[in-house]
Amino acid sequence: SQQGEEDPQALSIQEGENATMNCSYKTSINNLQWYRQNSGRGLVHLILIRSNEREKHSGRLRVTLDTSKKSSSLLITASRAADTASYFCATDLLNSGGSNYKLTFGKGTLLTVNP
Amino acid sequence: DGGITQSPKYLFRKEGQNVTLSCEQNLNHDAMYWYRQDPGQGLRLIYYSQIVNDFQKGDIAEGYSVSREKKESFPLTVTSAQKNPTAFYLCASSITGLPETQYFGPGTRLLVL
Repeated sequence: SQQGEEDPQALSIQEGENATMNCSYKTSINNLQWYRQNSGRGLVHLILIRSNEREKHSGRLRVTLDTSKKSSSLLITASRAADTASYFCATDLLNSGGSNYKLTFGKGTLLTVNP
Repeated sequence: DGGITQSPKYLFRKEGQNVTLSCEQNLNHDAMYWYRQDPGQGLRLIYYSQIVNDFQKGDIAEGYSVSREKKESFPLTVTSAQKNPTAFYLCASSITGLPETQYFGPGTRLLVL
């Protein structure tokens, strides 16, 4: 099953409003990342937050991490039509051997920003 | 899409045919990854490689094969054993195999005739 699950599955807002997306995960992590995907394109990395960090900012993006609740949120302030995309959270997941690494992605939140 | 290229953009497979998706990166990254994305789903890891001449199976490796003969290249072959190959395939790379930023290519959409 997916390690990360985004909520809501879809979000529609007006330009200028703020958009908040949430991600919940099941097991302890080292890092959590957020990616953006425009329709039919590859993913673009937005921000990485480490397990010992609680909040991080990048431009109009604000990410929080609550390891006690195993959840993260992505806030996009003053949204623009160009922010329309799918947003995915990804958590690291060490293999049992401890030496390999892979990211596990959620199903994403589809954000639509209406002009 | 950074320095990762994938080709072709669209690929059509006939029944029983093997097809190969190309992935090339000029970022000098050690690690490369192949993901499959189905509609409304997240990305699922097919194979990954942390170093040349070495690769590991991901969560859904059955019906796929890879090679990593050069640092820059990580081709994925979808074999005839993969019974449901229709999907969007994404290649990614990262500087090392540690939990850090992955850079994605533009993707290849595979369709079955």
